[in-house]
Amino acid sequence: GENVEQHPSTLSVQEGDSAVIKCTYSDSASNYFPWYKQELGKRPQLIIDIRSNVGEKKDQRIAVTLNKTAKHFSLHITETQPEDSAVYFCAASHQAGTALIFGKGTTLSVSS
Amino acid sequence: DTAVSQTPKYLVTQMGNDKSIKCEQNLGHDTMYWYKQDSKKFLKIMFSYNNKELIINETVPNRFSPKSPDKAHLNLHINSLELGDSAVYFCASSPEFSTDTQYFGPGTRLTVL
Repeated sequence: GENVEQHPSTLSVQEGDSAVIKCTYSDSASNYFPWYKQELGKRPQLIIDIRSNVGEKKDQRIAVTLNKTAKHFSLHITETQPEDSAVYFCAASHQAGTALIFGKGTTLSVSS
Repeated sequence: DTAVSQTPKYLVTQMGNDKSIKCEQNLGHDTMYWYKQDSKKFLKIMFSYNNKELIINETVPNRFSPKSPDKAHLNLHINSLELGDSAVYFCASSPEFSTDTQYFGPGTRLTVL
């Protein structure tokens, strides 16, 4: 089955810096890669996703890149703000009836 | 205008008891899920239902039994609760299975004493 590895497990940056979180997946059939943000005590919420027919996707300060050959994808947050502090999860799945498999999460702390 | 709701929000109970968590979505989605988030924040799929039919059962002890009376509801019943069942349980729903945005409920924090 699919296995998703996520690094780093914790990340501390200064406000205004960029943050990068990386994930690798094992199943070459995976074709959907969402990123979820979970604030303390809250539910996970989708922030951006990418499908395998696209190499990069951007939404304001957030971007995701996908390298299908290497089976890895990354989340990039530019101009970080204290409200970006949260746990970020990557995930992977494909349409053949498998579940969305999550990475173990990255705790991002943005200090002002 | 709550999209995915769960009750109760907190559940504290003794080992050996049986308890249920309810989930409802008003988004008209076909697929619903149960996830377990342990103390290390790891999110793991437990079950998935599509149009009231069980699609995924991920090596979950048979003490856990999901029930979907209709497309909008997916309840989780747990028998003979154990200490290791303590976690936050999230319900979620999506328009299609797996490759679509999943909308999570607020979570139910279960504490087994």
